[in-house]
Amino acid sequence: GAGVSQSPRYKVAKRGQDVALRCDPISGHVSLFWYQQALGQGPEFLTYFQNEAQLDKSGLPSDRFFAERPEGSVSTLKIQRTQQEDSAVYLCASSLVVDRPQETQYFGPGTRLLVL
Amino acid sequence: QQQVKQSPQSLIVQKGGISIINCAYENTAFDYFPWYQQFPGKGPALLIAIRPDVSEKKEGRFTISFNKSAKQFSLHIMDSQPGDSATYFCAASGMTGGFKTIFGAGTRLFVKA
Repeated sequence: GAGVSQSPRYKVAKRGQDVALRCDPISGHVSLFWYQQALGQGPEFLTYFQNEAQLDKSGLPSDRFFAERPEGSVSTLKIQRTQQEDSAVYLCASSLVVDRPQETQYFGPGTRLLVL
Repeated sequence: QQQVKQSPQSLIVQKGGISIINCAYENTAFDYFPWYQQFPGKGPALLIAIRPDVSEKKEGRFTISFNKSAKQFSLHIMDSQPGDSATYFCAASGMTGGFKTIFGAGTRLFVKA
C-alpha cells in the first residue's frame, strides 16, 4: 500500500503486560513521528526519528515508553508494565523531508490500545 | 504557552450552511497553523494550513482566517456537506518547538442532510 500502516490495529492488554506497536512508514520517508491520542482529545507528540536517530523523545510520558527505528524504516513503540492510563490510540506519521517534517506528515490509522 | 484552545467541542450544521471552528494560541513563536480532518478509525489528514504572514487562505470550500494580533485563527467550511462530518483539529508548530505539533482538543462536526 501507499500509506502509513500500523499493526496491530487493536490491542487489549492486562495491566502490567508489555506491548509492542509497529509502524511501517511510507517507503522512502526519512522522518517518523509517534503520537498518543486519548479518547476525545487531539494527538499528543511522543517522539521523532530522523532515519534511525531519535532526535526528540521529550513527549514520552515515562520511562515505561520506549521507541526504536533500528534500520531507519519500520519503527516500534514499546510500552512496558502497561497501566490503565496508557489506554489510547497510538498514531504514527511519516514525512519525506527533514526540514520542518511536521508540516508534511502523513498519519497512519493508529493502534487502539485498551489496558484492562 | 504551548496550548492551542479550540472551540466549539461539537457543531451541528445544516447541509449547505457554513461551519466555523475557532482556535486560539499563546506561543508567539508558532509559525505554522494547520487544520486536520479525522474520520472514525482513521488518522488525521492535513486539510489546509496557513503561515502568519497572510490573513486568509482559501482552498476550495475551506478557508482559514488568521488574526496575528489576537493570536486566533479559524476554519470556515462553505456549503457544508454530509461528507464533511468528521472531527477537525487545529494545530500549531514552530522551529523553536523542535519537531512538535501542538493539537487542539478537536471539534466534532455533524452536517445534517
